[in-house]
Amino acid sequence: EAGVAQSPRYKIIEKRQSVAFWCNPISGHATLYWYQQILGQGPKLLIQFQNNGVVDDSQLPKDRFSAERLKGVDSTLKIQPAKLEDSAVYLCASSLKDTYEQYFGPGTRLTVT
Amino acid sequence: GNSVTQMEGPVTLSEEAFLTINCTYTATGYPSLFWYVQYPGEGLQLLLKATKADDKGSNKGFEATYRKETTSFHLEKGSVQVSDSAVYFCALTVLTANQFYFGTGTSLTVIP
Repeated sequence: EAGVAQSPRYKIIEKRQSVAFWCNPISGHATLYWYQQILGQGPKLLIQFQNNGVVDDSQLPKDRFSAERLKGVDSTLKIQPAKLEDSAVYLCASSLKDTYEQYFGPGTRLTVT
Repeated sequence: GNSVTQMEGPVTLSEEAFLTINCTYTATGYPSLFWYVQYPGEGLQLLLKATKADDKGSNKGFEATYRKETTSFHLEKGSVQVSDSAVYFCALTVLTANQFYFGTGTSLTVIP
């Protein structure tokens, strides 16, 4: 079974530029999560989708971050414009609906200079 | 609110030593508790879980017991191996709240 795929694996941008990350969850997983993991901290949930609807985006900085999951499969997370404090690893995870176990992708490491 | 506090690292042990990584939580409602592991260069993987009080999760020689009276979920292993070197994260979810909360992670290095 293929795991959660993310791209790119690494990205370096300058502040005020924009960036987009892509995630393809495990086939059949209805729930998709985006997390931000700052160095030395645990992952923080940014947004959770159930199929193509948003379940929770209470911790998403909506002035600069946006995410979509068209057709209820893959998803993109965008930052525009980026700030230095956005430097982090962005993790995507997926799970079957109403289950506890989340499967994580390898993450995208973003460096904002 | 909901939160997880885990033992700060890094932790360095010799092979075959006993491991304990402490984790305590606060939660509204009835949480499920998890340990995730992140090996170097890889994504997070679920190590074990417990969904109700007194449950014991176990996997790969690791164990953790859901203690409601002490709000704890400490991770233990009787004899660590070099291959156990990784970062370990304690986490909780309260499904009705649709949120997952992670601790800050504890880095473990096992030396031969």
